[in-house]
Amino acid sequence: KAGVTQTPRYLIKTRGQQVTLSCSPISGHRSVSWYQQTPGQGLQFLFEYFSETQRNKGNFPGRFSGRQFSNSRSEMNVSTLELGDSALYLCASSTPDRRGDEQYFGPGTRLTVT
Amino acid sequence: AQTVTQSQPEMSVQEAETVTLSCTYDTSESNYYLFWYKQPPSRQMILVIRQEAYKQQNATENRFSVNFQKAAKSFSLKISDSQLGDTAMYFCALYNNNDMRFGAGTRLTVKP
Repeated sequence: KAGVTQTPRYLIKTRGQQVTLSCSPISGHRSVSWYQQTPGQGLQFLFEYFSETQRNKGNFPGRFSGRQFSNSRSEMNVSTLELGDSALYLCASSTPDRRGDEQYFGPGTRLTVT
Repeated sequence: AQTVTQSQPEMSVQEAETVTLSCTYDTSESNYYLFWYKQPPSRQMILVIRQEAYKQQNATENRFSVNFQKAAKSFSLKISDSQLGDTAMYFCALYNNNDMRFGAGTRLTVKP
């Protein structure tokens, strides 16, 4: 099976712009979670989608949003970018029910905001 | 709220020796799952080991084992016969009710 893929891998944006990141989960996985990883804050949970519905949400401002499509692919959008949004954004997918099942991580998208 | 604490930001160990990474957590739930994930430099995060809270037996995966103390809310990872390829960031994580929380991580360096 192909692993979790994320595109693009690297991105440079200017403050005030918006950005969309994409994540394709492992085939058959219906749960997709997004995380922000920074040296100072570590791994912080953004949100989780399951069957096109947001099932859980972390403590991030409304500038961060996401969605999931019927094929389980997910996108994450950040509007009005700030310097502090520079981070590695990780996507993880898991099996249909994800009741404590392993999450499979993608390679991440490295976002730099200048 | 659930929290996960890893009190050791950095650790090092000589190749072939044993090292233990600490993790404590807090949750009001009785049924949950605990994980250790490994993130090698510039590589993807992968699962090292998984523990179900309702199981008293400590999980083991080859050279990796955990010491799960439910009452103390402690979940440490022991790496035996450390190898250079074990050099990575290690994250402890807690999951229940669709909520996954990670610790800040421990950077482990295995020295030859």
